[in-house]
Amino acid sequence: ELKVEQNPLFLSMQEGKNYTIYCNYSTTSDRLYWYRQDPGKSLESLFVLLSNGAVKQEGRLMASLDTKARLSTLHITAAVHDLSATYFCAVSMDSNYQLIWGAGTKLIIKP
Amino acid sequence: SQTIHQWPATLVQPVGSPLSLECTVEGTSNPNLYWYRQAAGRGLQLLFYSVGIGQISSEVPQNLSASRPQDRQFILSSKKLLLSDSGFYLCAWNGPAANSPLHFGNGTRLTVT
Repeated sequence: ELKVEQNPLFLSMQEGKNYTIYCNYSTTSDRLYWYRQDPGKSLESLFVLLSNGAVKQEGRLMASLDTKARLSTLHITAAVHDLSATYFCAVSMDSNYQLIWGAGTKLIIKP
Repeated sequence: SQTIHQWPATLVQPVGSPLSLECTVEGTSNPNLYWYRQAAGRGLQLLFYSVGIGQISSEVPQNLSASRPQDRQFILSSKKLLLSDSGFYLCAWNGPAANSPLHFGNGTRLTVT
């Protein structure tokens, strides 16, 4: 059974600092997704990671995938308040339809 | 460009009442469609998905059902709501490509009283 664990589940940090969110999964998968959810809102797709060593960057966010370690990281550089949100990783099962979701990391960035 | 519409945005319903949530997608053909539920402060639970008209796969046994009467329309229903049905319901779509990410609607916040 595929399980996805995120840590930390809650993170409070100051603006300007760097930090990393981790996403571990339990069995082989070749696709990993990162999403963002603002409070009370829907989810927005951030990154799709498809292969070992994949790295994608958008602004202050950078995501990477290590399929051998079954680990993805979401790195935040010089955090700003606007990045406050809950971040979810999701890993695909065999089909295109079933994603296994992490519990989410609630990130609060204080000005 | 593709857009997804979901309504209503909020709903308060008494226990035992029926439910109908609707989702439509524009700007694409033959999308995969999904209904997710998110309990407060939790992750997402896949309820149903559909790969075509009239094709529904259920992931979690419960008193909810889904239907896809048209290519870009997905409906979530219940005949009698339970208190445990409260939550944030999200419709989503993606394309047929294996790496296609999900695109979510704005969600429906359902409170069963």
